[in-house]
Amino acid sequence: GQQLNQSPQSMFIQEGEDVSMNCTSSSIFNTWLWYKQEPGEGPVLLIALYKAGELTSNGRLTAQFGITRKDSFLNISASIPSDVGIYFCAGQNTGNTGKLIFGQGTTLQVKP
Amino acid sequence: DTGVSQNPRHKITKRGQNVTFRCDPISEHNRLYWYRQTLGQGPEFLTYFQNEAQLEKSRLLSDRFSAERPKGSFSTLEIQRTEQGDSAMYLCASSHRLGSQETQYFGPGTRLLVL
Repeated sequence: GQQLNQSPQSMFIQEGEDVSMNCTSSSIFNTWLWYKQEPGEGPVLLIALYKAGELTSNGRLTAQFGITRKDSFLNISASIPSDVGIYFCAGQNTGNTGKLIFGQGTTLQVKP
Repeated sequence: DTGVSQNPRHKITKRGQNVTFRCDPISEHNRLYWYRQTLGQGPEFLTYFQNEAQLEKSRLLSDRFSAERPKGSFSTLEIQRTEQGDSAMYLCASSHRLGSQETQYFGPGTRLLVL
């Protein structure tokens, strides 16, 4: 099925470092969302972006909706061990059904 | 807890058996989605309900799969004659649209293993 291109695929960083991941698509979306998933659980919403160019923060997380509407990035500042998990981007076109198209995920590991 | 709930959380079955999963959405949400997630991949859309109406089905949803949302509240996903390739995490999400904004909240998922 259709998926977004998310990179990097995995990251192994030291506690306290900043992290950046991004997502690109060949199609435009009118909403971008970022989720975090831990083993055996469902995705948990981190940030929702509804407008091209929008920059939104949630604590140490910051995400931006690209101007072209074909990309988005997520930054995590001053990483901590509980940031470990898989981060997914998802694009949505609310003019249709609203179904989400997901990236392949970025696996983040944080070394204390 | 007012989040999305799914039951069972885990299901192990033998090939050829039928299984049914249940999803209870957030109470005021009129939209409900089913997704399937295999190891190392992001979730993939299966089907979507607005209230009790099933409005879209993915090509991933073979004729062995059926979903219902009889009263516009909880939903069930049934897989008949399960195959090993059906082994996956089945996720339910619910949402309520305000204008052009819609945010989906996911349940914990049902992990299916077909032996």
